[in-house]
Amino acid sequence: KQEVTQIPAALSVPEGENLVLNCSFTDSAIYNLQWFRQDPGKGLTSLLLIQSSQREQTSGRLNASLDKSSGRSTLYIAASQPGDSATYLCAVRPDFSGTALIFGKGTTLSVSS
Amino acid sequence: GAVVSQHPSRVICKSGTSVKIECRSLDFQATTMFWYRQFPKQSLMLMATSNEGSKATYEQGVEKDKFLINHASLTLSTLTVTSAHPEDSSFYICSARPSGATFYEQYFGPGTRLTVT
Repeated sequence: KQEVTQIPAALSVPEGENLVLNCSFTDSAIYNLQWFRQDPGKGLTSLLLIQSSQREQTSGRLNASLDKSSGRSTLYIAASQPGDSATYLCAVRPDFSGTALIFGKGTTLSVSS
Repeated sequence: GAVVSQHPSRVICKSGTSVKIECRSLDFQATTMFWYRQFPKQSLMLMATSNEGSKATYEQGVEKDKFLINHASLTLSTLTVTSAHPEDSSFYICSARPSGATFYEQYFGPGTRLTVT
């Protein structure tokens, strides 16, 4: 059974710091991996999607890496801002189509100004 | 584009009553919608997958007679929690896959906080 773990559960940093959020999954047979942002009262926003054949994806200040064989992904946030404060969720999609995502519990990030 | 709404955003109901949660795709048609549940400090867990015009597929351990899902149109899916109990209190989130989109494309609603007293 696929399990997704995110470390740390919570993180507080001052504005401007670079930070790394970690995600690990127990079954390396995944189709892709997604990082989401969850804000209170709002839906999940997809940040980055990495296909199993890819090593990383970048969008602005965000960079996500994937090491499928070791079951790990990281989300790197550069020059953090207070607006980055949110819960970040990692989710994997099993290695066959039509199925929904398996989520980690998330990392709650707080960036202080 | 690709906005999914949920109604209500919060609901409080008494134990034993039923409550309906709506999930709408506002600017696209969705053949498939997903319902997730998130308990405090826990992961989002898939409850069921609904396809327009057919019966929903429930995940193991989810009672289909308790959580009724209706996907009667390409823009609306409803989740009815029947005979709700305090242990059903949770955050319910839906997502919708646009018709014709890749199987991994989906958009999430803002969620509904259900509290059963």
